[in-house]
Amino acid sequence: DQQVKQNSPSLSVQEGRISILNCDYTNSMFDYFLWYKKYPAEGPTFLISISSIKDKNEDGRFTVFLNKSAKHLSLHIVPSQPGDSAVYFCAAGYQGGSEKLVFGKGMKLTVNP
Amino acid sequence: DAMVIQNPRYQVTQFGKPVTLSCSQTLNHNVMYWYQQKSSQAPKLLFHYYDKDFNNEADTPDNFQSRRPNTSFCFLDIRSPGLGDAAMYLCATSRALLSYEQYFGPGTRLTVT
Repeated sequence: DQQVKQNSPSLSVQEGRISILNCDYTNSMFDYFLWYKKYPAEGPTFLISISSIKDKNEDGRFTVFLNKSAKHLSLHIVPSQPGDSAVYFCAAGYQGGSEKLVFGKGMKLTVNP
Repeated sequence: DAMVIQNPRYQVTQFGKPVTLSCSQTLNHNVMYWYQQKSSQAPKLLFHYYDKDFNNEADTPDNFQSRRPNTSFCFLDIRSPGLGDAAMYLCATSRALLSYEQYFGPGTRLTVT
C-alpha cells in the first residue's frame, strides 16, 4: 500500500515557465514532508521541506505548499531552468514512525530550453 | 567535501553468490540507512543503524544483513542473491533520529546473473 503517491511519472515544461510537481499521501500521521532531487548516476539530494504546522515554505525558486485537509503537497519551481531537469521524489515522515521516510516513486521533470 | 561514498558503483554477482556492498561517510552522522530501489519504484528502507543500534524493517528479507563496524562505515550483505534482488542500493545518513533530512550516496547498481 503506497502511502506517498506521485501519480504523474513525468512532466515537461519550457524554460522560464512554472513547474508544478504534485504528491498525495494517505497517512494522516505524517508531520514532515520533503522533496529530493536526483540526477542520473547520483544519489537523491535534499531540496526543500515543510512541517505540518505550516502550509508554505519558500527557498529561492522553490516553494512547497501543503494542504493537510486534502493530504496533498506540491512543489513549485519558478522560473524553471534546464538544470532543474531531474527526477523529483516526495517523502514523508512522522515522529514515532521509526524515524523513517516513506518515498514516492518519483517524477521526471524535463525543462526544455 | 563531506560526503557519502558507496563502493562499488556497479556490482555483478551470480545467483546465490554472497555479495557485500560498502558505504562510508565523512559527515560523522549518527544514523546510517540502506534503501533498495527497483526500476521506477520508490526507495524502500531495508534497515538503519543509530550508532550501533540496528533497526530492521519488518518486511526486509532475512537474506539481507548489515554491519556497522564504526561510525564511518556500513556494509550491506546479501547472503544468497536472487534475480529479484537486482536493484539500486542507496546508502544514506542523517545527523540524528528525527532529523528527517537524509544525505544519500550515489548508489550501487547490483546485477544478478
